[in-house]
Formats: sequence, C-alpha cells, structure tokens
Amino acid sequence: GDSVTQMEGPVTLSEEAFLTINCTYTATGYPSLFWYVQYPGEGLQLLLKATKADDKGSNKGFEATYRKETTSFHLEKGSVQVSDSAVYFCALRGSARQLTFGSGTQLTVLP
Amino acid sequence: DGGITQSPKYLFRKEGQNVTLSCEQNLNHDAMYWYRQDPGQGLRLIYYSQIVNDFQKGDIAEGYSVSREKKESFPLTVTSAQKNPTAFYLCASSIVGRGRSNQPQHFGDGTRLSIL
Repeated sequence: GDSVTQMEGPVTLSEEAFLTINCTYTATGYPSLFWYVQYPGEGLQLLLKATKADDKGSNKGFEATYRKETTSFHLEKGSVQVSDSAVYFCALRGSARQLTFGSGTQLTVLP
Repeated sequence: DGGITQSPKYLFRKEGQNVTLSCEQNLNHDAMYWYRQDPGQGLRLIYYSQIVNDFQKGDIAEGYSVSREKKESFPLTVTSAQKNPTAFYLCASSIVGRGRSNQPQHFGDGTRLSIL
C-alpha cells in the first residue's frame, strides 16, 4: 500500500538558517503530494502541493519539488523565521483517493 | 468565511461512556474524514464519507461510529469499546470527483479528548 517516510525530528534551527525536511514515498501510479503544517493546538493547514512529476509547489518561502525518479518531495526554505516553528507533515493522495501521512517533523526556530 | 468547525475543543470522557464529537462544514464539500492524532505520530484515518448516507471504515475504525445524515455534518462517536481514546481528533473535508485527486483536504482545529 501507499506509505510516506519523513525525516524524524525534532529539528532545531537558528533564525535565518536553511531548512530541509526530507520526505520519500511509496505509491502505485501517479500520486499527488502535499505538505501540511500544524501550529500548536490547531488543525492542519495546506502549505503546498504538487500533482505531477517535476512540479514545484511553493508558498510562504517554502518549496518542494515532485521527484518521481527518487520518489521524493523534500521541503525547503532558504531562511526560516521563529514563526515557522510548527509540525510539518508530508502526505500523498494515491489511487485510493485517501490521504496517507508521514509521522510529522517538529521544527523549532530559535531567535 | 467557509470552513470546518469542530466542537468542543476539549472533551473529557468517563470510563464506559460514549461521547460524540461534532464536525460541521460550509464548504459544500462532498467528502468528509475523521483522523486520530497521537503524540509524535502522523494522522490515522478512522472513517470517511464521500456522500450523504454512506461511509467507509478507515484504518482504525474499531471502537468508533459515525453518521452522515446531512452533507454539512459528520459526527464521530467514541464508544466505550475504544479502550484508548485519549488523542487529538481532526475532521477534514474535500471535493470529490473524477480528476479531483489533487484536491487537498481542509481541516478543522481539532478536539482533544481525555479520559477522566
């Protein structure tokens, strides 16, 4: 079945550092890929998405590129801020139409 | 503004008691979902519904029940058969249709359930 493997956290960075959170997936066919962000005590918010190979999703300075050859969708940001502190989830929607989530990566950005 | 409303935000359950979590959406979405989130883990699907009066079990349906009598509402009941109900419960909704697999799910703010 479909699965998502995410870089384990927690990740702690200083403000303005470069961020990478790794995400790889296993799925049949051509899944759509998503990154969601969860702030403390809240639900999940869609951060970005990509629906086909080589697509790049971007939002709020975050980017991720759908790499079919490496089955990856790594999240990157060039300069993180304290307000980016949250839990980040990689997810895919495959042929079953259900979302499969990774285990989440806790990011803490220190001033 | 359109969105998903979950209530209550915090809920406490006594041993042997059933409790119902509310989820209402005004996004006109056909599909609705319930997830359970445990600390340090991803989201696990409990139940989902793609149309009124129809729903399917997810990965961890045992001890839970749902109904979908209206498009806007998808309440989740945590029954006494669920032996470890303490968790954060998230409701979501999405558009359904051919070629719509790239549509994201929209989430509510969650209900935190604890055992007294």
